Amino acid sequence: DTAVSQTPKYLVTQMGNDKSIKCEQNLGHDTMYWYKQDSKKFLKIMFSYNNKELIINETVPNRFSPKSPDKAHLNLHINSLELGDSAVYFCASSPPGEPNYGYTFGSGTRLTVV
Amino acid sequence: GQNIDQPTEMTATEGAIVQINCTYQTSGFNGLFWYQQHAGEAPTFLSYNVLDGLEEKGRFSSFLSRSKGYSYLLLKELQMKDSASYLCAVRDSNDYKLSFGAGTTVTVRA
Repeated sequence: DTAVSQTPKYLVTQMGNDKSIKCEQNLGHDTMYWYKQDSKKFLKIMFSYNNKELIINETVPNRFSPKSPDKAHLNLHINSLELGDSAVYFCASSPPGEPNYGYTFGSGTRLTVV
Repeated sequence: GQNIDQPTEMTATEGAIVQINCTYQTSGFNGLFWYQQHAGEAPTFLSYNVLDGLEEKGRFSSFLSRSKGYSYLLLKELQMKDSASYLCAVRDSNDYKLSFGAGTTVTVRA
């Protein structure tokens, strides 16, 4: 069973469209994250939710809106997509406290805006 | 905030040793992690240091000096499958957020 699963794996869409990426974890973790990895491979945090509550909101355009219906799910909705949104988006999760393995990552969603 | 630096690329020969350095500046330190990421895949956990010193796990070792804001990942007996990007990440003691360096792409040649 996949621990952190994201759908879709690939997403190609036109500028101006609205799209969503879904993430689910079956590890029983309390905290979930969205990271963006750009073409230079730099992995940057966007949002973090702990038990359905937003706890980290980095400087991200408000076209990006995360939603956590329960602690096992964290979705990312993107409005009015732009070319610069093209990247790989990784979902991750971690248990409470200070785990000595950091995060468990999903396999990523490669978003291409054309 | 965090400022994490590591070299962009390194190349080594199969069977050799490579050391990837990472320097960081942080407002609150709660551990340093190394992740491996193969092209097109998710980052996977390699090692964790929170106290000064060396942690060894098979062919991979990681070292930390908190006073110097410095870590390195040592890869021994390199294999072709070790060709990947290696990410240094620091956890913040205030919000447990992991901040990543830009990654070091290691290419292993026969």
